[in-house]
Amino acid sequence: DVKVTQSSRYLVKRTGEKVFLECVQDMDHENMFWYRQDPGLGLRLIYFSYDVKMKEKGDIPEGYSVSREKKERFSLILESASTNQTSMYLCASSLSTGGNEKLFFGSGTQLSVL
Amino acid sequence: DQQVKQNSPSLSVQEGRISILNCDYTNSMFDYFLWYKKYPAEGPTFLISISSIKDKNEDGRFTVFLNKSAKHLSLHIVPSQPGDSAVYFCAAPRIQGAQKLVFGQGTRLTINP
Repeated sequence: DVKVTQSSRYLVKRTGEKVFLECVQDMDHENMFWYRQDPGLGLRLIYFSYDVKMKEKGDIPEGYSVSREKKERFSLILESASTNQTSMYLCASSLSTGGNEKLFFGSGTQLSVL
Repeated sequence: DQQVKQNSPSLSVQEGRISILNCDYTNSMFDYFLWYKKYPAEGPTFLISISSIKDKNEDGRFTVFLNKSAKHLSLHIVPSQPGDSAVYFCAAPRIQGAQKLVFGQGTRLTINP
């Protein structure tokens, strides 16, 4: 089974802090994603990476950046955390076959920014 | 622009009965749809999918129906079981053959004993 591991289950940070969310997958998947889940809004794509050092903005990239130095690891960075970034953050990975491969998600990181 | 919409935030169904979860979409270019299921404190897991060349796909107790003319899909769960209580998301790849999914808002299904 594919395992996508997010380093923290819960995080509490203060406004203005720089926050790092880490994600590791063990199935050699090319694609990795960061989504956030908010009530009434579903899952929204923040950033996407289709290869090492490659990244693409999703629907809501403002206030975020990402890093993919190794194939198995995809980091989400909140440059200066704000209260509106309090959310559930979900990392996912998938194979890159040109077809409709399903995404495998991690368990999520619930981030609270105070 | 919410391209995939789930207009029912919640649904409550008696155990053993049929659960029907609905999803509407606005982009006629979507040609593949997926349903994901999410339990609290876990990430979403893939449940079932359907290609636009079909109007029905079945997997055990789960069936997805697609009505392209109405831009509508539905997930049927028969019979419903307590373990089906979860949040269900429908999703579609925003570009053909890609995995950048656009998700609906989700429907929280509660199965009552």
